[in-house]
Amino acid sequence: NAGVMQNPRHLVRRRGQEARLRCSPMKGHSHVYWYRQLPEEGLKFMVYLQKENIIDESGMPKERFSAEFPKEGPSILRIQQVVRGDSAAYFCASSPPQGNTGELFFGEGSRLTVL
Amino acid sequence: KNEVEQSPQNLTAQEGEFITINCSYSVGISALHWLQQHPGGGIVSLFMLSSGKKKHGRLIATINIQEKHSSLHITASHPRDSAVYICAVRTAITTGANSKLTFGKGITLSVRP
Repeated sequence: NAGVMQNPRHLVRRRGQEARLRCSPMKGHSHVYWYRQLPEEGLKFMVYLQKENIIDESGMPKERFSAEFPKEGPSILRIQQVVRGDSAAYFCASSPPQGNTGELFFGEGSRLTVL
Repeated sequence: KNEVEQSPQNLTAQEGEFITINCSYSVGISALHWLQQHPGGGIVSLFMLSSGKKKHGRLIATINIQEKHSSLHITASHPRDSAVYICAVRTAITTGANSKLTFGKGITLSVRP
């Protein structure tokens, strides 16, 4: 049973380009969470999704950032017109359906560098 | 003041030593997580606690809900334990599977051989 898979592991973009980060949850998990870790800072919640639904996006910047978790395929975190301040590690976590213990399983992270 | 505070910020130990890492929080919580992150690596969930104590191998985690404090203990420490240890809390207002966690900044542990 593969763990949470994130790709790419490393991504380099120039200012103004788009970044797409993908997350495939563990098999059987229907809840996905995205977190951002800025250099020298702690992790911050961004968004919580279930299949085809955004449940809580209170941690998402108001502009340029969007997330989806389609019925088929991985969850995608999209950052449009990237700026240097977007350089960070982006972690995805997944958990089983409602009624679980609340445990989270994290991916290896995607490290975005904006030149 | 951050909702989750960890101390000390950096910790160096000699192999074999008993290590304690602390976490204090200021909000009501439904659960507390201890996470491990190796340099440039992913995040591994070590424990999830809502009360009492849990043990896994050489790791022990305790939580005191009344004092809003948790500790992570490492017995017989080893250089491979060198990592960042992060405390995260799920606030009491979140329910079910909504794991909107609030994280501490983490403690960098170095265990010297």
